[in-house]
Amino acid sequence: DAGVIQSPRHEVTEMGQEVTLRCKPISGHDYLFWYRQTMMRGLELLIYFNNNVPIDDSGMPEDRFSAKMPNASFSTLKIQPSEPRDSAVYFCASSPRTSGYEQYFGPGTRLTVT
Amino acid sequence: SQQGEEDPQALSIQEGENATMNCSYKTSINNLQWYRQNSGRGLVHLILIRSNEREKHSGRLRVTLDTSKKSSSLLITASRAADTASYFCATARSDSWGKLQFGAGTQVVVTP
Repeated sequence: DAGVIQSPRHEVTEMGQEVTLRCKPISGHDYLFWYRQTMMRGLELLIYFNNNVPIDDSGMPEDRFSAKMPNASFSTLKIQPSEPRDSAVYFCASSPRTSGYEQYFGPGTRLTVT
Repeated sequence: SQQGEEDPQALSIQEGENATMNCSYKTSINNLQWYRQNSGRGLVHLILIRSNEREKHSGRLRVTLDTSKKSSSLLITASRAADTASYFCATARSDSWGKLQFGAGTQVVVTP
């Protein structure tokens, strides 16, 4: 199994630009999570999906952030417009229903907004 | 606020020594998990302990859980330089299906 796949691995963009992060979960996993990690705030859960349906988006910072999961094998996290304070590492993770919620993380996307 | 809080924030030991870190949490849980993160990488699941378990082993890892004190500990025995990483506890609350809450992590440095 290839594990959770994220793209791009690094993204540098200018303030005001739209950013789209992509994630392919492990096949057969029912849950998909988007996290953001910074030195100041640690690891924050942004949103998670169960069977492609958003369950909890209370961690999404503001309306500039949106996430979709059009099918079981793909999800996107979009930031529009981006701001310097959005600079962070964004992780996608997936989890199978049958486990005790253990999560499998992707390698992350390092986003820098200048 | 973070559900899990690790202690200490940082730990520096020599190869061969044991490393112990603790995690405290606030609410009722279904299980507690420990993850490792190497610099610049994603988190890797290490071990899961359910609320009705008190101790669990996996290789050089030993985890304990005390639900009365709402605390857990992770012991890494005979540490190696490759154990250098940040370690996070994460709790699965009884009332939140699928969702984990992560602590701030303990940064462990193992010197040869």
